[in-house]
Amino acid sequence: QSVLTQPPSASGTPGQRVTISCSGSSSNIGSNPVNWFQHLPGAAPKLLIYSSNQRPSGVPDRFSGSKSGTSASLAISGLQSGDEADYYCAAWDDSLDASVFGGGTKLTVL
Amino acid sequence: EVQLVQSGAEVKKPGESLNISCKASGYTFTTYWIGWVRQQPGKGLEWMGIIYPGDSDTRYSPSFQGHVTISADKSFRTAYLQWSNLRASDTAMYYCMRSLSMIISGAFDLWGQGTVVRVSS
Repeated sequence: QSVLTQPPSASGTPGQRVTISCSGSSSNIGSNPVNWFQHLPGAAPKLLIYSSNQRPSGVPDRFSGSKSGTSASLAISGLQSGDEADYYCAAWDDSLDASVFGGGTKLTVL
Repeated sequence: EVQLVQSGAEVKKPGESLNISCKASGYTFTTYWIGWVRQQPGKGLEWMGIIYPGDSDTRYSPSFQGHVTISADKSFRTAYLQWSNLRASDTAMYYCMRSLSMIISGAFDLWGQGTVVRVSS
């Protein structure tokens, strides 16, 4: 059971906008920024969003993040087949003095 | 080139010890945190722990504390993940990763290619 809760799956058609939620608690999302990672099959994970809503250089603006209270969301607009991947949220947890991942959401582009 | 290069795949028996490595290049090794993540077959990512090579400050996930040791050698610009008593459940892909900045957080923007560890009798 992961400390951060994500839906196990999400789906959309090309061009659509999808959102993936991440729910935590006051010791993690409630008091620290959220990061999102994309994990494509056979590749290393990639940082997609940091500090809840910032994109690293090279990440398209189709990807956006937001946070409110103890929850966060990743939105992907203009969905493409290449976006099929597992997506993970992560945040530092002050109680654990460690970072924690969500269980991951498998995104399928129909 | 800024990169993390991990050591190769390992096959071990339960109870054996193991040390896998992550060699950094292209940046100041001592001013970024380096961490490790596990992915067991068919499962999600699990954060294991991180180390700040500048002063060896180390933090572990409670799930891994006491079972693995994370270390770093500044001279070799290399971080290590060590086991002294492997279990079958340690079979997994292990990734090393570098923090986005010197501030401790969950943001890691540079990743190694992964090391497969297989533990079987």
